[in-house]
Amino acid sequence: NAGVTQTPKFQVLKTGQSMTLQCAQDMNHNSMYWYRQDPGMGLRLIYYSASEGTTDKGEVPNGYNVSRLNKREFSLRLESAAPSQTSVYFCASSEDGGVNPQHFGDGTRLSIL
Amino acid sequence: RKEVEQDPGPFNVPEGATVAFNCTYSNSASQSFFWYRQDCRKEPKLLMSVYSSGNEDGRFTAQLNRASQYISLLIRDSKLSDSATYLCVVNEGTSWGKLQFGAGTQVVVTP
Repeated sequence: NAGVTQTPKFQVLKTGQSMTLQCAQDMNHNSMYWYRQDPGMGLRLIYYSASEGTTDKGEVPNGYNVSRLNKREFSLRLESAAPSQTSVYFCASSEDGGVNPQHFGDGTRLSIL
Repeated sequence: RKEVEQDPGPFNVPEGATVAFNCTYSNSASQSFFWYRQDCRKEPKLLMSVYSSGNEDGRFTAQLNRASQYISLLIRDSKLSDSATYLCVVNEGTSWGKLQFGAGTQVVVTP
């Protein structure tokens, strides 16, 4: 049982390049999330999808877009990467929002030069 | 003011000792509470949920104090493998309710 799978695990981009981070879960969860984590800071929510077909902005959405492709997959796109987007990105899923804990993928380490 | 606040530590704990730390939250309507552990910038992993009456999972005990709006985690008989950052997680309190993560408390267990 893979849980939440993220690809790629590492990526280096140049400023202005674009890329898509992929996330898939096999737990039949309704809700999915994208976070970033920077040194000394907690996880910050970028975007989330409460259920298939819906997406909403989180705390730090600027510079990102998302697509909930189907129930399993939730992708995060950087259209024009900036050095400030250097971070570790985590995807998570939960059975539903609210009272349920989230399960995390093992992260994407992204560096923007 | 941050919605979820934690002492960053580090808490340096001799092996076999007990360590406890708290987390305060600002939203009195919050309904769900969790402790996660995170190792060296790896993914956060659910340690335990926190229930109103308090709950225990092996050497770990979690308590909730709604009146003072804090949750606590106590680790007994600390093991070297308990060295990690412990994240306090609280839901927003709305009907759907996104989770709010604290920045974490670092625990270092020494031989």
